[in-house]
Amino acid sequence: NAGVTQTPKFRVLKTGQSMTLLCAQDMNHEYMYWYRQDPGMGLRLIHYSVGEGTTAKGEVPDGYNVSRLKKQNFLLGLESAAPSQTSVYFCASRRRLANNEQFFGPGTRLTVL
Amino acid sequence: AQKVTQAQTEISVVEKEDVTLDCVYETRDTTYYLFWYKQPPSGELVFLIRRNSFDEQNEISGRYSWNFQKSTSSFNFTITASQVVDSAVYFCALSEAMGGGATNKLIFGTGTLLAVQP
Repeated sequence: NAGVTQTPKFRVLKTGQSMTLLCAQDMNHEYMYWYRQDPGMGLRLIHYSVGEGTTAKGEVPDGYNVSRLKKQNFLLGLESAAPSQTSVYFCASRRRLANNEQFFGPGTRLTVL
Repeated sequence: AQKVTQAQTEISVVEKEDVTLDCVYETRDTTYYLFWYKQPPSGELVFLIRRNSFDEQNEISGRYSWNFQKSTSSFNFTITASQVVDSAVYFCALSEAMGGGATNKLIFGTGTLLAVQP
């Protein structure tokens, strides 16, 4: 049982490049989330999904797209990376029933030059 | 709107001291949940506790204790006899209650960096 995993762990991009961050969970959780963590800002919600094939915008969605084609995977895409997207990205998942805690992945550190 | 405030940006204590991390929240919901997460220097987020708005009993887990007071909208976290391994960033978070399409998004505070000196 690996929990929540994220790929890659580190990445450096040049402005304008695109990339996809992969989040996978093996706990059969319905809900999945993408957050970004910036110094002094805490974690802010980018996008989330309440089930396969369904996604919604969070607090800071601009510049990102997501897809949830399979229940266990939640992809975060940057179509044209900008230096402002330099951050640590965390994926999380949780069960739908009750207000359970979110389980977080280890994070992806992204630098956009 | 929901909001979580952790006014203490950084706290430094000497090992074995007690330390309290403050968390003040704002919500219009009558039912909500509060959480504490720990982020050690390695970077991962570790769940510590969940408390619902109907349960104001204080909770103790080893050296950790939590004081939830609805009257002051606070959910403070105390570490007794701190240790170097407690050094981390601690986040308080708020979530709306489950039901009717609510997605239980977490609203995080900005975190408190705790440094425990040997």
